[in-house]
Amino acid sequence: EMQLLESGGGLVQPGKSLRLSCAASGFSFNNYAMGWVRQAPGKGLEWVSAVTGSGTGTDYADSVKGRFTISRDNSKNTLYLQMNSLRVEDTAVYFCVKRRAAAAGDFDYWGQGTLVTISS
Amino acid sequence: EVVMTQSPATLSASPGERATLSCRASQSFSNNLAWYQQKPGQAPRLLIYDASIRATAIPARFSGTGSRTEFTLTISSLQSEDSAVYYCQQYSAWPLTFGGGTKVEIK
Repeated sequence: EMQLLESGGGLVQPGKSLRLSCAASGFSFNNYAMGWVRQAPGKGLEWVSAVTGSGTGTDYADSVKGRFTISRDNSKNTLYLQMNSLRVEDTAVYFCVKRRAAAAGDFDYWGQGTLVTISS
Repeated sequence: EVVMTQSPATLSASPGERATLSCRASQSFSNNLAWYQQKPGQAPRLLIYDASIRATAIPARFSGTGSRTEFTLTISSLQSEDSAVYYCQQYSAWPLTFGGGTKVEIK
């Protein structure tokens, strides 16, 4: 069974850093592009970042560019999101997502999410 | 950035009725559009991709149509378990963008 399990969320102060992890299982992790989508409390969905299967290609939403870094360790079947210079507006549930296919940008599997709260 | 606009914001209908959800794009593209269903406290679930193809295990009452700037998700006969928020998402251009969602309420 395919599974994505996020961890690393929590309460941090503005300006601090946090690293999210997503442990994947049940599929050939290195064959699929992955990403992160977030959802602020009571709001809609916002794509955050994406990485290719090999890890060599990355992309970011303008709202996080220069502050967040996506990476993956295919030997550990794990996706990461390093979040620096955190802002109050980064408060959200962060979902780890698997892209359905290399040439497609939709997401066929989602983790349950990890809550990140930025507050002083 | 391709802006996705969904309407209505809320749709209320009775079991067995037909529900039609709209998604409009600010730029034209072919069929790189997905629909997701999200229930409270849960992660979104992929319903439709490439505008009209049902994802694995999605019931046949869900169907998607459209192209260019106008897309539609139809639920042919509403069931109580269809109460949720539905989002469209375009993957024709970066950044990937979602609509604001339509909340479907079952009377």
